[in-house]
Amino acid sequence: GQNIDQPTEMTATEGAIVQINCTYQTSGFNGLFWYQQHAGEAPTFLSYNVLDGLEEKGRFSSFLSRSKGYSYLLLKELQMKDSASYLCAVRRDTGNQFYFGTGTSLTVIP
Amino acid sequence: GAVVSQHPSWVICKSGTSVKIECRSLDFQATTMFWYRQFPKQSLMLMATSNEGSKATYEQGVEKDKFLINHASLTLSTLTVTSAHPEDSSFYICSARGGASGRTYNEQFFGPGTRLTVL
Repeated sequence: GQNIDQPTEMTATEGAIVQINCTYQTSGFNGLFWYQQHAGEAPTFLSYNVLDGLEEKGRFSSFLSRSKGYSYLLLKELQMKDSASYLCAVRRDTGNQFYFGTGTSLTVIP
Repeated sequence: GAVVSQHPSWVICKSGTSVKIECRSLDFQATTMFWYRQFPKQSLMLMATSNEGSKATYEQGVEKDKFLINHASLTLSTLTVTSAHPEDSSFYICSARGGASGRTYNEQFFGPGTRLTVL
């Protein structure tokens, strides 16, 4: 089975930095993905890690530690439009299915 | 590139009827498509995996006779919710993955979703 956990809700201030954690226990790990989702819309891809370490993409960075079953998404210079749900997803090595975490609802306040 | 469409974007139906949702990859060949459902304020739950030309693989707890999946071509998969009931009301999202290598192979590309309401 897949156990993928994230904090349910977070609040941060415009211009600040926020870190959203994701822990997982899964068999057949083949990458961890981060998506952003606004209400009523499809998820949009942000970042992914297959190997340990930090991947940086503009204001978004993602970190992975496979030995700890842990990842985080770092959002810098927060903007109001960053208010959304953030989903981590683990990809299996056979079949390439994605299993999503519980999702974190981020609210950015002025 | 890597655009996925879904049709319809929303549908309202009466209890007991069947509803078909289409998922199309517009600019790449999708060797694998995935179907998810999402209840309000919850995350995406994988329902099934479909590979072109073969039977879909359903996740545990998902009724294959209720959620019929067909992946007849490399650009089209359909999900039919049979004998729909109010508890089937949800947001259904498909995603597609290409073959071989490159971005369409490594990622999943999501459709815009279909909001199903069963009265």
